[in-house]
Amino acid sequence: AQSVTQPDIHITVSEGASLELRCNYSYGATPYLFWYVQSPGQGLQLLLKYFSGDTLVQGIKGFEAEFKRSQSSFNLRKPSVHWSDAAEYFCAVGGIRRNNDMRFGAGTRLTVKP
Amino acid sequence: DADVTQTPRNRITKTGKRIMLECSQTKGHDRMYWYRQDPGLGLRLIYYSFDVKDINKGEISDGYSVSRQAQAKFSLSLESAIPNQTALYFCATRGGDLNTEAFFGQGTRLTVV
Repeated sequence: AQSVTQPDIHITVSEGASLELRCNYSYGATPYLFWYVQSPGQGLQLLLKYFSGDTLVQGIKGFEAEFKRSQSSFNLRKPSVHWSDAAEYFCAVGGIRRNNDMRFGAGTRLTVKP
Repeated sequence: DADVTQTPRNRITKTGKRIMLECSQTKGHDRMYWYRQDPGLGLRLIYYSFDVKDINKGEISDGYSVSRQAQAKFSLSLESAIPNQTALYFCATRGGDLNTEAFFGQGTRLTVV
């Protein structure tokens, strides 16, 4: 079965600084990959997704992620963080077969310092 | 109106009580899911359903049951609630193609005392 690891439980960055959130997956083939954001008291909102093609994908709110097959990684980046980006971020992996459904990482909580 | 609606949004119940969490969707998706979220553990899959007649256990199905009453409705039951089932529960839907994302409800915060 597929699985996903987010090594960083909590990250603090200053407003305006760059951000990278790490995500590593385990799967026998190239899975479908997703990043979601959860603001306090809210449900999960999709930031971006990767299925195939260009390994650098652009998402909403200025986020991007890069798929690296050799490292089994799908790290999320943003060049300049805004205070409103403070939230919890989840990486998810979806299998390519019918019964391999979506699995989520433990999440990374982002704090933004003024 | 939200595409995926969960009721109730908050619930406090006593140990041993039966409780049902409900989910309805207007996206016309066949796939529906129940996840629970615990701090430090992310979202863990409880049950999922590919259609009305196809229901599957997820990672942590013990102590839970589900019912898919219609394409648009998927309910989660705790037959005899226990305190370690205190968590935030999410319902999600997904289209038939695997290369599609899941859409989430706003969550139900359940506390078992």
